[in-house]
Order: sequence, then C-alpha cells, then structure tokens
Amino acid sequence: EVQLLESGGGLVQPGGSLRLSCAASKFTFSSYAMSWVRQSPRKGLEWVSTISDNGRTTYYADSVKGRFTISRDNSYDTLYLQMGSLRVEDTAVYYCAKVGYGDYGCDYWGQGTLVTVSS
Amino acid sequence: SYELTQPPSVSVSPGQTARITCSGDALPKQYAYWYQQKPGQAPVLVIYKDSKRASGIPERFSGSSSGTTITLTISGVQAEDEADYYCQSADSGGINVVFGGGTKVTVL
Repeated sequence: EVQLLESGGGLVQPGGSLRLSCAASKFTFSSYAMSWVRQSPRKGLEWVSTISDNGRTTYYADSVKGRFTISRDNSYDTLYLQMGSLRVEDTAVYYCAKVGYGDYGCDYWGQGTLVTVSS
Repeated sequence: SYELTQPPSVSVSPGQTARITCSGDALPKQYAYWYQQKPGQAPVLVIYKDSKRASGIPERFSGSSSGTTITLTISGVQAEDEADYYCQSADSGGINVVFGGGTKVTVL
C-alpha cells in the first residue's frame, strides 16, 4: 500500500520560513506528479502546489506564488515544500498527495502535518 | 479566480439517496474528482474523471456530469457515509486547481 509521511510542521512566527518533507514509499515515486494540499482549521481543502514527475514543471496557487517552492528528490523518494514569508493565514494542516489520475486527481494522501503561524 | 460551488450541507435518511452537486464554468472542459473526508482523517478519493469509481469504493457511490454541473450520488446511504465531500477540478486553462467549499452529508 502506498505510504506518504509528512514531517516538518510546527510553530513559526509571521514572516518566518519552514520546510515540509514528504517521504514516499511502496510506489515508483519518480513516475508520478505530486501535490501539496492544505486545510485551515475547521475549513475546506485548498490546493497549494503540484510538481511534475521529473520535477521540471511546477504549479502554484496564487495565494502562495512567490513565497512557497515545491521540489522533489527522486533519488530519495521525497517531496518538499519550502515555505517563506509565512502569514497567519497559512496556518493549516498540509497534506502531500500522489497524483494518480489526470493532472491533479490525488489517489493517495498522507496524514498531514500541522503548520501554525503565530506570534 | 475560478470557483466551484457546492451546497454546504445535505441531510438524508439511511437507505435513501443523497445527491451532491458541484458547479463551475470550466467543468465541461476539465475532469472533476470527488473526495470524502471524515473528522480527523485525510481525504479519500471517491470518484475520478467525473464518473469512475476509485479502488475500494462501494458501488453505491457514483458520479455524473451535465454541462457546468457534476453530481456525486450516494444510493442507499449508510451511517458510515456521514462525512464531508469535496469536488476538485481546474480552470479552463488547466493551471489553477480548485476545490469546492465542501458539503457535509448528515445521515439522519
């Protein structure tokens, strides 16, 4: 069964930075695009970013463009999200997800890591 | 910015049929997906590419599309189907991915 394990969440001050990681296993990581999706407390899902299987193409939501960077290391089956200039409204559970269908259909999700932006 | 519109809530008695709609101008051009999320859990893919049931999903779940509206239908609702359901698609250019606001399904 596909496994996705996020890490790196925590408490950070506004304006600060944080890097999330997602360790993938039990599938051929380098063959699939990957996404980050977040969920603010008691709110809905928000797509954050997607990266192609080879890492050459990236897409971002307008809300994070210019502040967040998605990347991957196919040698280590790991997905990353570098977050900078963090704002209170970035507080959320961040999920990594495997894109298994089409360009954005996520067939497997991790359990999420909580990022709290607060002074 | 592009938006997908879902009703906030749907209530249904056990054994009845629940229908959840999702509306968006680009839905005729872009595939849609449906996810189920229970409290404290990660989302689970239910329907992909408008109408295909994901692996392990019971047959009572089905998806359909008509113009700018897609529909998730749960036939013979069971108590375990109580959850939040989200649609997902992209704008006409296929660059910006969006989720609907979510629909809470309550089994009475």
